[in-house]
Formats: sequence, C-alpha cells, structure tokens
Amino acid sequence: DAGVIQSPRHEVTEMGQEVTLRCKPISGHNSLFWYRQTMMRGLELLIYFNNNVPIDDSGMPEDRFSAKMPNASFSTLKIQPSEPRDSAVYFCASGRDSNPTDTQYFGPGTRLTVL
Amino acid sequence: AQSVTQLGSHVSVSEGALVLLRCNYSSSVPPYLFWYVQYPNQGLQLLLKYTTGATLVKGINGFEAEFKKSETSFHLTKPSAHMSDAAEYFCAVSDSSNYKLTFGKGTLLTVNP
Repeated sequence: DAGVIQSPRHEVTEMGQEVTLRCKPISGHNSLFWYRQTMMRGLELLIYFNNNVPIDDSGMPEDRFSAKMPNASFSTLKIQPSEPRDSAVYFCASGRDSNPTDTQYFGPGTRLTVL
Repeated sequence: AQSVTQLGSHVSVSEGALVLLRCNYSSSVPPYLFWYVQYPNQGLQLLLKYTTGATLVKGINGFEAEFKKSETSFHLTKPSAHMSDAAEYFCAVSDSSNYKLTFGKGTLLTVNP
C-alpha cells in the first residue's frame, strides 16, 4: 500500500500567487481530511470529505481557501491569493469511513512558504 | 466542545529511562482517545487508541496508555526509551457525536544517549 500521497512536498511562492496542493488518498478509503499545522495553532482541521462530498468546511480560514474532491482518488486544496500567514505544513489524511473511532492515515505533508 | 491539553511541550529522557507523556481531555460525552506520533518531516502515525472496553491500551513500539475517566487523562508511557522514540507526540480526542479529531499542541520527546 502506497499510503497517502501528497504533492508537492515543498512549495515556495510569492504573496498573491495561486497555490494548489494535491492529495491521493489510500485506495478504498471513503473519508478525506485536510489539516494545517503551524507552531502557533498546532494541527487544525480545514475540511472533511466523505464519499467525495464536503461535509464540514468550517475550518477553512477564509474565502481564499477552497478544496475539491472530483473523485475518490484525488483532492486539491487551493489558496488564491496566497499570503505570508498561510505559510504552514498542510496534511492530507484519509480514513476507511466516517466512524469517529477510525484511524486517520496521514500523508507526508506539503510545506508551504509564502514570501 | 472537546479539548486536549498536553502538559509539557518538551520532554527529555535518557535512553533506557521511563517515558511519560501527559494528556488530559475535556469531553461532554464518552471520548475516543488517540495518540499519534510524528517523526521529523513525516506525517502523523497512529500509536494507539482507546474506544471502548479495556482501559489499558497497548500500541506499537512498546507504548501503552491508560484511560482514566475520573482523572480525564490518557497518559502515554513506555518503560524504556530508545533513541528511535525521539519524535513529536500528539494526543487527540473524538466522540460518538463528532467525527472530528481535536489534537493537543504536541509534546516533543528527545532521548539522550
């Protein structure tokens, strides 16, 4: 099993540019989560998909952030326009279903730096 | 609302010494509790979890944790630290009414030779 795959692993961009982060969940998993990790705020859930449908996006910080899951094997998180305060590590995680006892399997993360 | 408090953002132990990482939670309903580990430049990996049943839970790499409802705690222990245990450890909580995982701020464990 390849695990959760994220790309790119590192992204450096300038303020105002569009950034797209990509995630391939584990095959057969029905739940997908996007998290942001910063020193100040720790790990925050941004959005949660179940069966490709966004269930809860209350953690998305602003309208500049958007996420899609066009099919069961691919999701994107887009920031447009990016700002320096968006600098963080963004993790994608997947789970077999929406059961709250489920294990979430995390990808290696994308380290985003906005200059 | 759920919350998790991890006491000590940084714990340092000697190789072979006991590891004790503290976690207290707040939940209005019976919680599900998790410990995840993050090695440098990697994603989080599940160490162990408590859902129901036996309150002493054993996980990977020799770690275990005990759910103590009266103390609202779920401390993580390992009898003898190994250099490879150096990582950041996160306690998290969810419950039957909330699929969301709420994470603590994490505890960085360093192991000295």
